[in-house]
Amino acid sequence: AQSVTQPDIHITVSEGASLELRCNYSYGATPYLFWYVQSPGQGLQLLLKYFSGDTLVQGIKGFEAEFKRSQSSFNLRKPSVHWSDAAEYFCAVGARWGYQKVTFGTGTKLQVIP
Amino acid sequence: NAGVTQTPKFRVLKTGQSMTLLCAQDMNHEYMYWYRQDPGMGLRLIHYSVGEGTTAKGEVPDGYNVSRLKKQNFLLGLESAAPSQTSVYFCASSYSTSSGGGETQYFGPGTRLLVL
Repeated sequence: AQSVTQPDIHITVSEGASLELRCNYSYGATPYLFWYVQSPGQGLQLLLKYFSGDTLVQGIKGFEAEFKRSQSSFNLRKPSVHWSDAAEYFCAVGARWGYQKVTFGTGTKLQVIP
Repeated sequence: NAGVTQTPKFRVLKTGQSMTLLCAQDMNHEYMYWYRQDPGMGLRLIHYSVGEGTTAKGEVPDGYNVSRLKKQNFLLGLESAAPSQTSVYFCASSYSTSSGGGETQYFGPGTRLLVL
């Protein structure tokens, strides 16, 4: 069965600092990988996703993520964080067959301080 | 184009009461999903549908029923609410693909349910 681990429950960064959110997955083959963001009181919005090909994926709002097969990781990065990036971030892994079963991680809550 | 909408936004129930949550999407998506979100547990899939008239169980289906009578609507029912069903419920939808997997899920804004 597929699974996702986000080891950091809560992260605090200063505005303008760089950010890296960790995600490790477990899946028997090359999975689909996603990062979603959830602002307070809102639903989830897709930031980026990895299907195949280039392992460095660019997303919206200046985010990027790198797929590392050897480490089973898909970490999310941003070079300079803005106060509006404060939100909860979810990594997810999807199966390559079937109805698109997606398993979400437990989330990392990002706090941005001025 | 409203995307995915959910009604109601918030509801308080007493134990044993029933209710239905409505999800509607205007993107002509084949697949629809119901999740619940609880602190520290991420999103867990309750039920899903791969097309009009079809539904299937997800990870945590007990205590819930669903129906997909129209392609654009996906209803989640609680027949006899319990305090353990206090949660935030999200509906999502996505396209289907011939190869399966990988399509973006579009989420509604959520329904907060409190069961006393």
